[in-house]
Amino acid sequence: GEDVEQSLFLSVREGDSSVINCTYTDSSSTYLYWYKQEPGAGLQLLTYIFSNMDMKQDQRLTVLLNKKDKHLSLRIADTQTGDSAIYFCAEKGSWGKLQFGAGTQVVVTP
Amino acid sequence: SAVISQKPSRDICQRGTSLTIQCQVDSQVTMMFWYRQQPGQSLTLIATANQGSEATYESGFVIDKFPISRPNLTFSTLTVSNMSPEDSSIYLCSVEHTNTEAFFGQGTRLTVV
Repeated sequence: GEDVEQSLFLSVREGDSSVINCTYTDSSSTYLYWYKQEPGAGLQLLTYIFSNMDMKQDQRLTVLLNKKDKHLSLRIADTQTGDSAIYFCAEKGSWGKLQFGAGTQVVVTP
Repeated sequence: SAVISQKPSRDICQRGTSLTIQCQVDSQVTMMFWYRQQPGQSLTLIATANQGSEATYESGFVIDKFPISRPNLTFSTLTVSNMSPEDSSIYLCSVEHTNTEAFFGQGTRLTVV
């Protein structure tokens, strides 16, 4: 199985908050990332967090990291239709390699 | 940030042929990576390309099938050789910037017929 796990689907109403969860297994990971992929597009780096931090906030995005449980989450406040996309979490392991989760499809409904 | 340009953005190729994908970065970077994203799947690392040395391939990927060049600190190519329909994927170039951020190109969407 994959070392990084995510739920596959999330439906959220416009204006509500979205929370996407991720678990990882490599305790030596230095950085953890969240990427957004819209249909037919590449990966857009949304935010990242260093492994010795618990939280990082960037405008509508809040990342929470529980290193003990190896749990990462991304909260999107005031979710908009433009936030509909696939969101990938990734952990950075040795030699800069990224291990990705399967991606969470977020669908924002009016 | 680092801006990455990939060419071509998409292509349709005949089986048995080869395609070379180019990746150009707007700044010098030490490490460049090539990933594959099969339809509806996540990303899988193919290889790491460092300037001045042979690329390092991940399990399941070999140099004969995916030769890589890294002639300088801003450019790399990935060739998909002797293509079959199973090679239909998105191929993405990635760079590590300031040892923290990891940026991706827009990807090359390859369809093999």
